[in-house]
Amino acid sequence: AQSVTQLDSHVSVSEGTPVLLRCNYSSSYSPSLFWYVQHPNKGLQLLLKYTSAATLVKGINGFEAEFKKSETSFHLTKPSAHMSDAAEYFCVVPNAGNMLTFGGGTRLMVKP
Amino acid sequence: NAGVTQTPKFQVLKTGQSMTLQCAQDMNHEYMSWYRQDPGMGLRLIHYSVGAGITDQGEVPNGYNVSRSTTEDFPLRLLSAAPSQTSVYFCASSYLRLAGGRTNNEQFFGPGTRLTVL
Repeated sequence: AQSVTQLDSHVSVSEGTPVLLRCNYSSSYSPSLFWYVQHPNKGLQLLLKYTSAATLVKGINGFEAEFKKSETSFHLTKPSAHMSDAAEYFCVVPNAGNMLTFGGGTRLMVKP
Repeated sequence: NAGVTQTPKFQVLKTGQSMTLQCAQDMNHEYMSWYRQDPGMGLRLIHYSVGAGITDQGEVPNGYNVSRSTTEDFPLRLLSAAPSQTSVYFCASSYLRLAGGRTNNEQFFGPGTRLTVL
């Protein structure tokens, strides 16, 4: 089965500085990969998805992620953090059928 | 179009009580699933369904039952609640297949039910 590991449980940045949330995957082939965001007391929203069409994927709210097969990584980045980006972020890989396997999550804190 | 709805939003149970968490979607999605979210563990799949009358177990099914009598509804039943079932529960739905046969569709999540078992 495919799996993902999020390398940081908490990340803290200042408003206006870059964001980097790290995700490594484990798979015997190039998987599909997703990033979901969960704002406090809310459900999950899809940020972006990689499905092998292009290695650099742009998502909503200025986020993007780059699929690097050589590093088995799919890190999420944003050039400039905004206070509204404070949330929990999940790297996700689909397994058989529609089943999703989640990473442990990274809580992003944005300081003014 | 309400998307995926869940009721109740909050629930407190005593050990041994039973209850049903409701989930409904109005997008005509074949696939529906239940996850539980615990700190540091992401979301873990409890049960899922690929259509009315068809359900299967996920990663952590013990203590939970599901049924799928209609496309729209996918209730989750706790038969005898235990403190270990204290968690936030999310329901999700998606189309089963994309055109061309791929199965990796975007899943839409409900707002969650926060359950505490004392």
